[in-house]
Amino acid sequence: SQQGEEDPQALSIQEGENATMNCSYKTSINNLQWYRQNSGRGLVHLILIRSNEREKHSGRLRVTLDTSKKSSSLLITASRAADTASYFCATDAADSWGKLQFGAGTQVVVTP
Amino acid sequence: DTGVSQDPRHKITKRGQNVTFRCDPISEHNRLYWYRQTLGQGPEFLTYFQNEAQLEKSRLLSDRFSAERPKGSFSTLEIQRTEQGDSAMYLCASSPQPYEQYFGPGTRLTVT
Repeated sequence: SQQGEEDPQALSIQEGENATMNCSYKTSINNLQWYRQNSGRGLVHLILIRSNEREKHSGRLRVTLDTSKKSSSLLITASRAADTASYFCATDAADSWGKLQFGAGTQVVVTP
Repeated sequence: DTGVSQDPRHKITKRGQNVTFRCDPISEHNRLYWYRQTLGQGPEFLTYFQNEAQLEKSRLLSDRFSAERPKGSFSTLEIQRTEQGDSAMYLCASSPQPYEQYFGPGTRLTVT
């Protein structure tokens, strides 16, 4: 079963625009991670936010975490065509160190 | 390249045949994970190893599935008596600690 659910399922934007996607989850977590997957390829880790953190930045990425609402958001600023990919949130549950539970992902298409 | 490697990248087999996949993790990583991903979904956890010990198995891992990690190095995932429902991408990941995971390119299995 999938722990996280991403919203929206698909997002189409133009280069230079910002892309925001959300993730909701069900159980207490140690951390929440975001991964990117280009078409038919392996996943690449983007950013990890711990349960005691509220916001984290990495380059053009900004992640927020609200443990009271069991939700997270990923913002990609100034998007590029190369950002076209599927983005997954993954939770590391409080009772299971290391085992990740992924959502179904948000498919992002950035057009030049 | 010192990333996670998987072999083969693609496997087509007939229903009822046995298949075996191999994963070579990043050498200093003691944790190794197997996931399965079907089209349009996020990866689902199958099993993980810490060194050579298999510490957790998902209920998704039926009796037809077995995984090993001899000597805590590479790992193999075997599926016996394959079924069409086994068609999926099988992903391997490794990590030095229970935090971010480094994924291989995956093995795409097609059962005809």
